[in-house]
This record gives sequence, C-alpha cells and structure tokens, in this order.
Amino acid sequence: EAGVAQSPRYKIIEKRQSVAFWCNPISGHATLYWYQQILGQGPKLLIQFQNNGVVDDSQLPKDRFSAERLKGVDSTLKIQPAKLEDSAVYLCASSPGSGSYNEQFFGPGTRLTVL
Amino acid sequence: QKEVEQDPGPLSVPEGAIVSLNCTYSNSAFQYFMWYRQYSRKGPELLMYTYSSGNKEDGRFTAQVDKSSKYISLFIRDSQPSDSATYLCAMSASAGNNRKLIWGLGTSLAVNP
Repeated sequence: EAGVAQSPRYKIIEKRQSVAFWCNPISGHATLYWYQQILGQGPKLLIQFQNNGVVDDSQLPKDRFSAERLKGVDSTLKIQPAKLEDSAVYLCASSPGSGSYNEQFFGPGTRLTVL
Repeated sequence: QKEVEQDPGPLSVPEGAIVSLNCTYSNSAFQYFMWYRQYSRKGPELLMYTYSSGNKEDGRFTAQVDKSSKYISLFIRDSQPSDSATYLCAMSASAGNNRKLIWGLGTSLAVNP
C-alpha cells in the first residue's frame, strides 16, 4: 500500500512570496489533515477535511493560508504572502475516517524556509 | 499551563539501556493515548495506542497510562541505535473522525552503540 505522498520536499522562498504544497493521501482515506510542525515542537493541526468538506480549520491563519481538497482526494495548502514565522515542516496525514481508532498516517512533510 | 507536557530532552543512552519517556496532561477527559516515533526528516508514525488506563506491550515497547495521576509513559527495553528518533505523545478525548489530537513537544532520543 502506497503511503501519503507530499511535494515538494523542500522549499526556500523569501518573505511576502507565495508557496503551495501538494498532498496525495492513501487511497480510500476519507480524512485528510494538514499540520504545521515548527522545529522542536509537536505538530499543530491547521485544517482537517472529511472528503470534500472542512471539519476543523480553527487554527488556520485564514488571512494568509488557504487549503482545498479536490474531489475528496488530493489537497493543496497555500501560503500567500509568507512570513518568516511560517518556516516549518508542513505535514499531511490521512486516515480512513471511520471506526473508533482512526489512525493517522503521515507523509514525509515539506520543509519550508522563509528568508 | 499546556494541556500536554513533555520534556524535550535530549536524552542520550547506551545501547541496551532501558529508556523511559513520559508525558503529563491536565485534561481529565483524555481517554485515547498514543506514542508516535519520528525519524529525522520523516513524518511521525504510530508506535503504540492505548485506550483508558493500563499497560500495553508490543515487543520491546511498553506503554503505560495512569489516569489518576494524568501521566503516561513509554518504556523501551534493550534499546537499539535504530531507536534513535523523536518520540511524541498525543492524546484525545473523543474517538473516530471527530478526534482532535493534542500533541506533546516530543523527546529527542539518541541510543549510542
């Protein structure tokens, strides 16, 4: 079974530029998550999708961050304009979306550096 | 006070040592407790999952939950250099799709050959 795919793996941009990240979840997984992980911290949930719909985006800085999940499969996360404090690893995870356990499977992440 | 507290370390042990990793939490509603392992430049992967109190063992790994003390532990026996990674605790109050995981900072572990 293929895992969660993310691209690019690394991105360096200057502040005020825009950037987009792509995620392809495990086939058949209904739920998709985007996390931000700053160095030395645990993951922080930015947005959770259930199929096409948004379940939780309470911690997404909506003035600069946006995300969409096309046809309930792939997802993109965009930052526009980027700030220095956005330097972090952006993790995508997916889960089956059913059952009491509902394990989250993570991709390798995209490491963003904002200069 | 953070909902979940975890000492970031770093922790350095010799090969073969018993490792103890811990998290404390403040929300008594948490019932689902997880330990994730994260290798450098990789995403977290689930290591152990425990519901409510008690112990769970899987090979060299044992997870313990003490809800009365709001304290969870992960023990690694006969530690190996391949165990060198960051260990993150995560917990939630609810199950299924509405579950929101609350994460610790992660503890960095180095096992030296």
